[in-house]
Amino acid sequence: GGIITQTPKFLIGQEGQKLTLKCQQNFNHDTMYWYRQDSGKGLRLIYYSITENDLQKGDLSEGYDASREKKSSFSLTVTSAQKNEMAVFLCASIDNYEQYFGPGTRLTVL
Amino acid sequence: GDSVTQTEGLVTLTEGLPVMLNCTYQTIYSNPFLFWYVQHLNESPRLLLKSFTDNKRTEHQGFHATLHKSSSSFHLQKSSAQLSDSALYYCALGGGYKLTFGTGTSLLVDP
Repeated sequence: GGIITQTPKFLIGQEGQKLTLKCQQNFNHDTMYWYRQDSGKGLRLIYYSITENDLQKGDLSEGYDASREKKSSFSLTVTSAQKNEMAVFLCASIDNYEQYFGPGTRLTVL
Repeated sequence: GDSVTQTEGLVTLTEGLPVMLNCTYQTIYSNPFLFWYVQHLNESPRLLLKSFTDNKRTEHQGFHATLHKSSSSFHLQKSSAQLSDSALYYCALGGGYKLTFGTGTSLLVDP
């Protein structure tokens, strides 16, 4: 088996701040994803990466950057945190059409 | 683009009654994959069911769903709800590397 870890678990930022979320997986999966989860809005795709050094924009990429320097890791940067923003960011990888999710990073912007 | 519609935001029912959560989709793919993911409180989503075969019933953990391409539907059903089924359920559509998720249906099962 494998596991996906996300750091930090909780992230508190200030308006306008640049914030970075990290994800690591030891499944050895090629493709990884970042989703944003908001109540009542489902899971919205921010970025995905088919393989190392590949980046593909999702439906919600504006305001975010991503980086995939190694197969096992996928980082997401909030380029300018929005005041009163609250959301959970989920990282995932995929194998045989099944997505495996990490525990999430909960973001609060003051 | 692709879209998934889950019409119920919240479904509340009594333990022992049947469950049906609706899911319809729109896609350009002629052979889409359909999924149901379940997310219990304070947990991450995990796969419950998947299907890519038209008109074939797929089952797991007491839940079942049948992909109907003619009506673009993939409804989730269970004959008898249990308290432990209370969770958030997402229907999702895949046809390539991307999955498109619906907005989710919260199922609350009362004793």
